[in-house]
Amino acid sequence: KAGVTQTPRYLIKTRGQQVTLSCSPISGHRSVSWYQQTPGQGLQFLFEYFSETQRNKGNFPGRFSGRQFSNSRSEMNVSTLELGDSALYLCASSRISTGAAEAFFGQGTRLTVV
Amino acid sequence: GQSLEQPSEVTAVEGAIVQINCTYQTSGFYGLSWYQQHDGGAPTFLSYNGLDGLEETGRFSSFLSRSDSYGYLLLQELQMKDSASYFCAVRIGGAGKSTFGDGTTLTVKP
Repeated sequence: KAGVTQTPRYLIKTRGQQVTLSCSPISGHRSVSWYQQTPGQGLQFLFEYFSETQRNKGNFPGRFSGRQFSNSRSEMNVSTLELGDSALYLCASSRISTGAAEAFFGQGTRLTVV
Repeated sequence: GQSLEQPSEVTAVEGAIVQINCTYQTSGFYGLSWYQQHDGGAPTFLSYNGLDGLEETGRFSSFLSRSDSYGYLLLQELQMKDSASYFCAVRIGGAGKSTFGDGTTLTVKP
């Protein structure tokens, strides 16, 4: 079956702009988690959605938000972009809300803020 | 808060055995996972320990000791393709929140 699909793969934005990233989980998976990966900070948990509800949230400012649709696809939005938001954004899906217990990651969206 | 510690780098030769340790300090601990990530690739799930003891999957094994807040990933019969970063991650509170370690870069030499 198809894996986790993230679009777009690469994105360049200007400071102050906003961006929306998309994640399609594995068919049948209802949980989608988002992570930010940077060389200095590793993998940082952003939030998790399960059945269209945000179940958990990491320690990121309110500029980072997300949502999940009825078909389990999820979007992540970052408003008022800052240079420090440049990172690889990964989404991970799992059948139920177990976080990284057994999650399947997409290839990520590499965001560059200039 | 949550914290995980793992070595930043490990080097080993092809065919050898290597152990990557992970110690954690976290409240609401539920279990420990391990992921492999090649350069430019997505993290790939390797194993999950919800209970104390050893889990074996082919050449890879993972161990957890809750009383010691410690786990490790054991890689046997190392191959060049095992060169990658390895992350431990703790599942917190029984739900979907997780914290990852900073990763261990494994270099396998011929």
